[in-house]
Amino acid sequence: GEQVEQLPSILRVQEGSSASINCTYENSASNYFPWYKQEPGENPKLIIDIRSNMERKQTQGLIVLLDKKAKRFSLHITDTQPGDSAMYFCAARSTNAYKVIFGKGTHLHVLP
Amino acid sequence: EAGVTQSPRYAVLQEGQAVSFWCDPISGHDTLYWYQQPRDQGPQLLVYFRDEAVIDNSQLPSDRFSAVRPKGTNSTLKIQSAKQGDTATYLCASSRTGYNQAPLFGEGTRLSVL
Repeated sequence: GEQVEQLPSILRVQEGSSASINCTYENSASNYFPWYKQEPGENPKLIIDIRSNMERKQTQGLIVLLDKKAKRFSLHITDTQPGDSAMYFCAARSTNAYKVIFGKGTHLHVLP
Repeated sequence: EAGVTQSPRYAVLQEGQAVSFWCDPISGHDTLYWYQQPRDQGPQLLVYFRDEAVIDNSQLPSDRFSAVRPKGTNSTLKIQSAKQGDTATYLCASSRTGYNQAPLFGEGTRLSVL
């Protein structure tokens, strides 16, 4: 299979706290995992990615973790701000093709 | 560098009408994707190309949908005889072939079928 499951679908957090989004994938040939942020009326924008030879990557308040054995990867947003409120999508790409499959998305609400 | 360019930005049709969407990928990007994104859902892959070749079109909803990329650059996605269920945003994305190349999206075409 090639499905990417993403949870939760809705996430509400207080400003300044952390937010975590989890994804699982089925295709063991998946080797690259980008994350996108989409604001209302706009296109999805790449915010961070991780390759299968890494377990952790961090940039500007974003942390991505990858557990290949469990076929699970996650996005952690530290010190959330109102501007972080948006839809977030995980995706997975396989080695045997360049197909990129997306999760269904998480609607993050950062509450003041 | 210029981003992915799509046109039109919006389209409103009656059921049964045809529509075409056009995409100009980022220069040098050999892989081009078309996604359908219904409201409040994730992008769903319809078809993708490497250069002019269709790699996978198995997710095109039916023979009402077709996509071409004749010279390996611009691409056109066409819907014949649109249905209300086709209402969605159609996103084009492109990337270079490579291990860690994420698709980068255009602004999309927002389609409403009445």
